[in-house]
Amino acid sequence: DQQVKQNSPSLSVQEGRISILNCDYTNSMFDYFLWYKKYPAEGPTFLISISSIKDKNEDGRFTVFLNKSAKHLSLHIVPSQPGDSAVYFCAASAVSGANSKLTFGKGITLSVRP
Amino acid sequence: DTGVSQDPRHKITKRGQNVTFRCDPISEHNRLYWYRQTLGQGPEFLTYFQNEAQLEKSRLLSDRFSAERPKGSFSTLEIQRTEQGDSAMYLCASSLQTVTQYFGPGTRLTVL
Repeated sequence: DQQVKQNSPSLSVQEGRISILNCDYTNSMFDYFLWYKKYPAEGPTFLISISSIKDKNEDGRFTVFLNKSAKHLSLHIVPSQPGDSAVYFCAASAVSGANSKLTFGKGITLSVRP
Repeated sequence: DTGVSQDPRHKITKRGQNVTFRCDPISEHNRLYWYRQTLGQGPEFLTYFQNEAQLEKSRLLSDRFSAERPKGSFSTLEIQRTEQGDSAMYLCASSLQTVTQYFGPGTRLTVL
């Protein structure tokens, strides 16, 4: 039972263009969402997060949008750079729960072409 | 801030052997998590410590798995009688009373 879904396994974009990575969730108890970036042979690196009381959060080139009614969030990277090529994981947490454990999607492999 | 460290980075073992992994969280982080990641999947929660208390264990954590955090600082994850299905990346993360968790580089376990 996949509670966090990243349905597109890969995405390829041209350098300088926008990358849009999508994520859907099914558990209504989730109220905090995070994006992590992962290079091969390394652990996930935190990128950006959003609380369910907001619908947008921006940090430099990265913006996360949350649509609670659709249980959907997306990560926008503008402009995309070759160094952004990595696997991106969407994660969710029920903050009101006991331990704030993260539930991850399967990840999206982003390739940014020079 | 030296980040989360894990040791060893790689471990190759034969089926039936015991292995132990160590995680050193970011200094003063009171929450510590273990996750497991297999090929093509995202990390899956295994267990959680707040200080030295183990407060939750996933059903993924069979009786062969045990984790400790004796003084509320570093943690160890032991797998007894390893099986080929235990082959995975074992990730440790820590946080300071927030949702955002910071991950270590992981320990890649290969069971032959």
